[in-house]
Amino acid sequence: EAGVAQSPRYKIIEKRQSVAFWCNPISGHATLYWYQQILGQGPKLLIQFQNNGVVDDSQLPKDRFSAERLKGVDSTLKIQPAKLEDSAVYLCASSLVGQPGEKLFFGSGTQLSVL
Amino acid sequence: SQQGEEDPQALSIQEGENATMNCSYKTSINNLQWYRQNSGRGLVHLILIRSNEREKHSGRLRVTLDTSKKSSSLLITASRAADTASYFCATAFSSNDYKLSFGAGTTVTVRA
Repeated sequence: EAGVAQSPRYKIIEKRQSVAFWCNPISGHATLYWYQQILGQGPKLLIQFQNNGVVDDSQLPKDRFSAERLKGVDSTLKIQPAKLEDSAVYLCASSLVGQPGEKLFFGSGTQLSVL
Repeated sequence: SQQGEEDPQALSIQEGENATMNCSYKTSINNLQWYRQNSGRGLVHLILIRSNEREKHSGRLRVTLDTSKKSSSLLITASRAADTASYFCATAFSSNDYKLSFGAGTTVTVRA
């Protein structure tokens, strides 16, 4: 079974530039999550999709972050404009049905450095 | 904050020894999960324990849950160099619609 795919693995940009991350979840998984993991901390949920729709985006900084999930499969997370404090690893995860407290499957993440 | 907090922050042990780490939380949970993260990689699910369970085993892993003390422990027996990683507990709280909240993790180093 193929895992959660993410690209790119690394990205270095200057502040105020824009950046986009891509995620392809495990086939058949209805729920997709984007997490932000700052160095030395645990992952923090940014947004959760159930199929095409957004379930929770309460911690997404909507003035600069946006995300979409095309046709309920792949997803893109965008930051525009980036700030220094956005330097982190962005992890995509998926789960089968989105049942509360369900086991998550994570990709390897995209490490973003904002200079 | 409502998420679990791991203790200790870091742990260094000799290969073959056991490693124990703890997770404490503040409100009632539906379940508690443990994940492992190797350096530069994503998180991998290790084990899930429900609020009505007290102990679960998976290979060299043993997880206990004490809901009266609002705490859980993860024991890794006969550690190997490959167990070097960060370990996170994730809790699903009823007050947060059972969304998983992750703690800051315990970094385990296994010395050869």
